Amino acid sequence: EVQLVESGGGLVKPGGSLRLSCAASGFTFSSYSMNWVRQAPGKGLEWVSSISSSSSYIYYADSVKGRFTISRDNAKNSLYLQMNSLRAEDTAVYYCAFDYYGSGTFDYWGQGTLVTVSS
Amino acid sequence: SYELTQPPSVSVSPGQTARITCSGDALPKQYAYWYQQKPGQAPVLVIYKDSERPSGIPERFSGSSSGTTVTLTISGVQAEDEADYYCQSADSSGTHVVFGGGTKLTVL
Repeated sequence: EVQLVESGGGLVKPGGSLRLSCAASGFTFSSYSMNWVRQAPGKGLEWVSSISSSSSYIYYADSVKGRFTISRDNAKNSLYLQMNSLRAEDTAVYYCAFDYYGSGTFDYWGQGTLVTVSS
Repeated sequence: SYELTQPPSVSVSPGQTARITCSGDALPKQYAYWYQQKPGQAPVLVIYKDSERPSGIPERFSGSSSGTTVTLTISGVQAEDEADYYCQSADSSGTHVVFGGGTKLTVL
């Protein structure tokens, strides 16, 4: 069974850092591009970042570029998001997601981890 | 930056047809996708590549495209279809994913 389990969320002060993880299982992790998508409380979905299967291609939303770093460890079947210089507006549920069924988009999602940036 | 525009809300009675639109300049060049999200749950893909339906999604969900507008149509709406719906596509370069602001579908 395909599973994506996010972890690492929590309460952090403005300007602080946090590292999110997404543990993948049930599929050949190293064959798939992976993504982070977030959703602020009561708001819509926002794409954050994408990384190709071998980490050759990495993209970021303008809102996080220069502050967030996406990475992966294919040996550990894990995806990461290092978040620095956090702001109140980064408060959101962070989902990892990927194209498992070949739809061309995010057809498999984790359940998300909540990040709260507040003093 | 590139934007996709959706109506904030759509209301229909059970059994009627709901249509949710999504507009964006790059839609003639990039596929559109639709997600359904219910409170406290992760989004679920209901339409991909403009009009394809994933396995397990009811036939009452369909998608279409015309120029810079794509449309999600739910025929014979049921109470369980009440949810937020998001369109998603990419900018003209294909490197940046964009979501619409979301449409709350209310089943009266």
